[in-house]
Amino acid sequence: QFVLTQPPSVSGAPGQRVTISCTGSSSNIGAGYDVHWYQHAPGTPPKLLIYGNNHRPSGVPDRFSGSKSGTSASLAITGLQAEDEADYYCQSYDRNLSGSIFGGGTKLTAL
Amino acid sequence: EVQLVQSGAEVKKPGESLTISCTISGYTFTGYWIGWVRQVPGKGLEWLGFIYPLDSNTRYSPSFQGRVTLSVDKSINSAFLHWSRLKASDTAMYFCARLPGVAGALHYWGQGTLVNVSS
Repeated sequence: QFVLTQPPSVSGAPGQRVTISCTGSSSNIGAGYDVHWYQHAPGTPPKLLIYGNNHRPSGVPDRFSGSKSGTSASLAITGLQAEDEADYYCQSYDRNLSGSIFGGGTKLTAL
Repeated sequence: EVQLVQSGAEVKKPGESLTISCTISGYTFTGYWIGWVRQVPGKGLEWLGFIYPLDSNTRYSPSFQGRVTLSVDKSINSAFLHWSRLKASDTAMYFCARLPGVAGALHYWGQGTLVNVSS
């Protein structure tokens, strides 16, 4: 029932590439609002990975990249590492809600 | 250095009131929005709302409108999240964060305040 839909889980072997999708609608991503991505370990503050669809904050490895097309966005992680295991969330703005929204979150497992 | 420091963990009973705080340093308080986000144990991140300290312009998530109140005190560079009557379902970790605009990203976060509501 989340306005932004993410797969509940993804997995990959160390060294592999994984992607996490974030599907919205014409009132949020499709309306041109930016998508941002966070990495989160429960009990700690989320860490901003990607802002403005495809920009990395200082200190975030270039293994992380973001893209957006139409009503969807994706986070790609290349060279998967064990330390990448965490929950990942997308975030955007919804004009119908007049507020920001998170996706339901995706749990990444490194096999 | 930008910092957001939140008040400590709270244990409350249902029906009680509570205010938690978020005190900033390292930037101009009135130049950025402050957002509040929660995580119920085992669940995902949820927006509560955000407030612009310059004029206290506030936006609430529909799910939390009427349940919580956001406010600021510019004299002490602090933002507040208030409940007048807590419920057990308010048990969660609450985070404050800074954002440049209502559609912006949350670049800086507080460390979180754990609120436990139990009879």
